[in-house]
Amino acid sequence: KAGVTQTPRYLIKTRGQQVTLSCSPISGHRSVSWYQQTPGQGLQFLFEYFSETQRNKGNFPGRFSGRQFSNSRSEMNVSTLELGDSALYLCASSLVAGGQVNEQFFGPGTRLTVL
Amino acid sequence: DAKTTQPPSMDCAEGRAANLPCNHSTISGNEYVYWYRQIHSQGPQYIIHGLKNNETNEMASLIITEDRKSSTLILPHATLRDTAVYYCIVRAPQGGSEKLVFGKGTKLTVNP
Repeated sequence: KAGVTQTPRYLIKTRGQQVTLSCSPISGHRSVSWYQQTPGQGLQFLFEYFSETQRNKGNFPGRFSGRQFSNSRSEMNVSTLELGDSALYLCASSLVAGGQVNEQFFGPGTRLTVL
Repeated sequence: DAKTTQPPSMDCAEGRAANLPCNHSTISGNEYVYWYRQIHSQGPQYIIHGLKNNETNEMASLIITEDRKSSTLILPHATLRDTAVYYCIVRAPQGGSEKLVFGKGTKLTVNP
């Protein structure tokens, strides 16, 4: 089956702009999580969506937001971009079968560069 | 979620077993040990997980000590393609979140 897809793969923006990243989870997966990876901070959890609802959020400013659609596809948005937002943004999907330990499947990421 | 401690880097010869240790001395009874790896510039890849019994799959084996305070990921015959950062993560199955907390991991270099 197809894996997690993320678009675009690469993006260059300037400070002050906003950006929207897209993630399509594996078919049947209802949970989508977003992570930011930078050389200095490593992999950090941004937020998770399940059944169109955000059910967990990391320690990021309100400029970072997201949403999930009824088909489980998810988008994340970063407004008023700062140089420090340059990072690899990773999306992960999970089946979420109640009470079970779920593995997460990661996409290839979107490399965002802010100039 | 319990914190983990891993060596920052390790080397292994191609064809030999790679044994990656992880300490999780504050692990709780319902927390699982997960291993993921990240090959350069790719998304992390799930490898294996376990609760208290040793586990094996097509990729690796996971050995958890009896007191569950540490574990070892074993790649039985390492290849150059196994060069990656390996993350040991401890978390409980939660009905309300799939959040993973990544540490700095171990950078494994497999040498020819």
